[in-house]
Amino acid sequence: GAVVSQHPSRVICKSGTSVKIECRSLDFQATTMFWYRQFPKQSLMLMATSNEGSKATYEQGVEKDKFLINHASLTLSTLTVTSAHPEDSSFYICSAPSGLQGDTQYFGPGTRLTVL
Amino acid sequence: KNEVEQSPQNLTAQEGEFITINCSYSVGISALHWLQQHPGGGIVSLFMLSSGKKKHGRLIATINIQEKHSSLHITASHPRDSAVYICAVRSGYGNKLVFGAGTILRVKS
Repeated sequence: GAVVSQHPSRVICKSGTSVKIECRSLDFQATTMFWYRQFPKQSLMLMATSNEGSKATYEQGVEKDKFLINHASLTLSTLTVTSAHPEDSSFYICSAPSGLQGDTQYFGPGTRLTVL
Repeated sequence: KNEVEQSPQNLTAQEGEFITINCSYSVGISALHWLQQHPGGGIVSLFMLSSGKKKHGRLIATINIQEKHSSLHITASHPRDSAVYICAVRSGYGNKLVFGAGTILRVKS
């Protein structure tokens, strides 16, 4: 079946640095990918929709200058957390729709970000 | 009020029990997903429903569009079913999902 990978799976960084997270669709093309954030014991919250070849669409309250999204190809979207702060520590997950009308969502395994 | 409400929030069951998790939503939807998230964080899509009922192994998902309600059933539950089960709905254009808060299921042996 279709697979979505994320890299890295876990990252620890110092406050003020930037971290890039990759999301790849391994055996299908995705013109759209979604980025979510999940805090402990909470459900997923959509941060932004990544669109291949055009600007990402951010959800209300998500700073686009802080969370840079690039969807450079049909199989790769990247999320860069710029000038990371401890409150950015979270679990970041991507997903990509596939199938007819994008009916099926495939989720990446997630990236655990810890900002010291 | 959240657009997607799940119940119960927490559920503990004995191995072998029949389990039901409920999901109610308040918006018009084009599809509803049931997802499973294990402690490591990875998410697996169990079902995508737009009407009726689907079955996969010991899992059954139903949806009633008129009542805006869906249920996930697990028959003959097993400790390996312990996970967080999340209901998510897709409404409007663009495949964007809105998530319920999740149901934490623990199946004891």
